[in-house]
Amino acid sequence: GQNIDQPTEMTATEGAIVQINCTYQTSGFNGLFWYQQHAGEAPTFLSYNVLDGLEEKGRFSSFLSRSKGYSYLLLKELQMKDSASYLCAVLDSNYQLIWGAGTKLIIKP
Amino acid sequence: GAVVSQHPSRVICKSGTSVKIECRSLDFQATTMFWYRQFPKQSLMLMATSNEGSKATYEQGVEKDKFLINHASLTLSTLTVTSAHPEDSSFYICSARSSQREGHYEQYFGPGTRLTVT
Repeated sequence: GQNIDQPTEMTATEGAIVQINCTYQTSGFNGLFWYQQHAGEAPTFLSYNVLDGLEEKGRFSSFLSRSKGYSYLLLKELQMKDSASYLCAVLDSNYQLIWGAGTKLIIKP
Repeated sequence: GAVVSQHPSRVICKSGTSVKIECRSLDFQATTMFWYRQFPKQSLMLMATSNEGSKATYEQGVEKDKFLINHASLTLSTLTVTSAHPEDSSFYICSARSSQREGHYEQYFGPGTRLTVT
């Protein structure tokens, strides 16, 4: 079966750094996405990795290791507005997105 | 760019009635649109995938006669919840994938429709 694992909830302090991990086992791989979803709102696209390595985009960075079936989303200089759920999703061999359950990130002052 | 609109944002209807939700890609063409449902504190659940001009592909357990999907053009897909019941109350979200950017498979989401069936 296809499976994506990420922690259910994480807590971090404003101004700090947090890393949200995602491991996956899917039928084929055509890329991995990270989305941010605030409560009561739809997800918004953050990043897309298809090759190994780190992609940096402002305060957010995403890393991928295809051999390990592993990715992480790194958030720096945390702000209160970063409190949200972060969804990891893998594009499988049929180009369908397989979604993780999401990680709820709580930022404390 | 890559803006998706969804209408209405909120709807309350009585049990047994039907509700139509529209999803539009505003600044790009979307050959493929997706319909998701999300219950409180749960992850997104894909209901169906629709390709322009063809019948939607429904996920296992989703009743195609209850959730009617029409993808009539490259910028519009509709979801009609027929004979709605209170258990259909949920957050319905559409997303669209651009057909114009080769190698790009990200989905852009509409703002969602909160359906409450009384």
